[in-house]
Amino acid sequence: QSALTQPPSASGSPGQSVTISCTGTSSDVGGYNYVSWYQQHPGKGPKLIIYNVNERPSGVPDRFSGSKSGNRASLTVSGLQAEDEADYYCSSYAGSTTYVFGSGTKVTVL
Amino acid sequence: EIQLVESGGGLVQPGGSLRLSCAASGFIFSNIRMYWVRQVPGKGLVWVSHIKNDGTITDYADSVKGRFTISRDNAKNIVYLQMDRLRADDTAMYYCATDGGWKLSSWGQGTLVTVSS
Repeated sequence: QSALTQPPSASGSPGQSVTISCTGTSSDVGGYNYVSWYQQHPGKGPKLIIYNVNERPSGVPDRFSGSKSGNRASLTVSGLQAEDEADYYCSSYAGSTTYVFGSGTKVTVL
Repeated sequence: EIQLVESGGGLVQPGGSLRLSCAASGFIFSNIRMYWVRQVPGKGLVWVSHIKNDGTITDYADSVKGRFTISRDNAKNIVYLQMDRLRADDTAMYYCATDGGWKLSSWGQGTLVTVSS
């Protein structure tokens, strides 16, 4: 399994939106509607913020949204806030109860 | 509140062994498949291994197959990762995580493993 492809960085000013892409294959992203996104602040463990492409766990602000088309998924953070500055990783179910992760995107709030 | 606390990391020489532990609380541990995921500092996440809720089924990434062994003690709410024949490229932060049905719902803070002479 190869890692999913994400841009290394993205940025936006407070209040703006930023969108992160995640490109896989028909064996992972394109094959299942089980794309997740994780937020990771420095020195912390990852936190689930989106699952099943576009669903949010309880407590995650609706500023976070997800979508998918073919082998490509996206995470959009609207109304950027300072606390959104973090690393973001996509993940897809890849069959046989395994997961493949993205390379990570560092989001900077300018 | 779900809590996962990893321990057992440290500095080990190439060829050595370590056993990682992940103590779980706040949920019915015996009902949940558990995962180990690692992250080289500054790099992405990589699935390492998982174990079915009753311990009967396990799976491993090719890079660790034959060297790492995952197990669990449902009476103590702990999942283990026995790491043998460690190599420099096993150096990483190791996280345990809970399976939430097609997603990894909760994660610990990680334990750092450094393989170096």
